[in-house]
Amino acid sequence: SYVLTQPLSVSEAPGQTARISCGGDNVGSKSVHWYQQRPGQAPMLVVYDDSDRPSGITERFSGSKSGNTATLTIMRVEAGDEADYYCQVWDVTSDVVFGGGTKLTVL
Amino acid sequence: QVQLQESGPGLVKPSQTLSLTCTVSGGSISDSGSYWSWIRQHPGKGLEWIGFISHTGYTFYNPSLKSRIGISADTSKSQFSLRLTSVTAADTAVYFCAKENGRSYFFDCWGQGTLVTVSS
Repeated sequence: SYVLTQPLSVSEAPGQTARISCGGDNVGSKSVHWYQQRPGQAPMLVVYDDSDRPSGITERFSGSKSGNTATLTIMRVEAGDEADYYCQVWDVTSDVVFGGGTKLTVL
Repeated sequence: QVQLQESGPGLVKPSQTLSLTCTVSGGSISDSGSYWSWIRQHPGKGLEWIGFISHTGYTFYNPSLKSRIGISADTSKSQFSLRLTSVTAADTAVYFCAKENGRSYFFDCWGQGTLVTVSS
């Protein structure tokens, strides 16, 4: 089955840029989506199709891909960005696949 | 603005059947282009996709759960439902319903989630 690998945790000081990676075989050929999940809440889509933002999502969130790694970048990190972040793809052998999630801590 | 709301028992006994319903408002589950999905999250863990039903009634399930799952829809009530049979403690989780984009398979709208505990 298809696997997406994310770091368990990322820490960044307020005002800095946080980057969360998501690796997987041939991820360059797949559309990658990203979700933010604050404690006790449902996930919320923050980036879809690698780099598009849903309406209402701040420009501070952006997505990119290079080779077999997708990256969610959060500029000018704020305390309110502290959450778990999940990447997700659709794979022909496994259908919907989520990464294991990354906990972003704002120092 | 589409909204989803899960409902159902919060406690299910081992070996019994878990049944949840998702009510969709602000949109129609008959609309083409969307799939209606169930996703769960074990306590303190990541997200696990369970399956979806399309506007035509086509269903597709996570292979690891396929033998125990059924997803159905009632378009007249704008609801879709999950049945998970023969539950064990390992099925204790928060269950989310979500709207899935049928073109690119991302989830753009989620219910708030409901905790289901399997315990005698």
